[in-house]
Amino acid sequence: AQKITQTQPGMFVQEKEAVTLDCTYDTSDQSYGLFWYKQPSSGEMIFLIYQGSYDEQNATEGRYSLNFQKARKSANLVISASQLGDSAMYFCAMREGWSNNAGNMLTFGGGTRLMVKP
Amino acid sequence: EAQVTQNPRYLITVTGKKLTVTCSQNMNHEYMSWYRQDPGLGLRQIYYSMNVEVTDKGDVPEGYKVSRKEKRNFPLILESPSPNQTSLYFCASSPPGANQPQHFGDGTRLSIL
Repeated sequence: AQKITQTQPGMFVQEKEAVTLDCTYDTSDQSYGLFWYKQPSSGEMIFLIYQGSYDEQNATEGRYSLNFQKARKSANLVISASQLGDSAMYFCAMREGWSNNAGNMLTFGGGTRLMVKP
Repeated sequence: EAQVTQNPRYLITVTGKKLTVTCSQNMNHEYMSWYRQDPGLGLRQIYYSMNVEVTDKGDVPEGYKVSRKEKRNFPLILESPSPNQTSLYFCASSPPGANQPQHFGDGTRLSIL
């Protein structure tokens, strides 16, 4: 079974509007972390935002926020006031285990390509 | 400047010709990883290392080798490359801890003919 599922291969959003990118995950661990990365056309991977499984508040970083619904195992990324520079691939990822010896396993979803229309 | 540096950025080579992709980080991170990115599959982990001389397989280790003789370096070795290893490769590093984001290099695009 897929550990990270991103059901939207591609999305359009109008400039200045908000957009939600979906991510659902599957884990039996109680302790895990969820990450979102942005990959522009130039190819680099840019870390955007992190949510820990025990965090009670939804994470926010500037125009990025995470709609974390633990019972539903979803961690959707919300981008407010979209800009043309937000056009990119977006990846949701999960890191399971909490100890420092948990290894370095980061599991990625297949990604969503966001296109911002002027 | 804190960074993860991969070399080469692009390489076209032929089946069976051994190659090494180097990765170096200057942040003193314990953890380092290699991923490959293929369309529709996201990034898949090849190997990771928790510290010097400690490495382990990720999800897709077949056909690859790694070594971690120094903390800053984590080279990826393809002993006998094949066309199905044509992909975009990323090296990443992070401090320990599940809440630590990984810092990625700029990627290496490999084409195996």
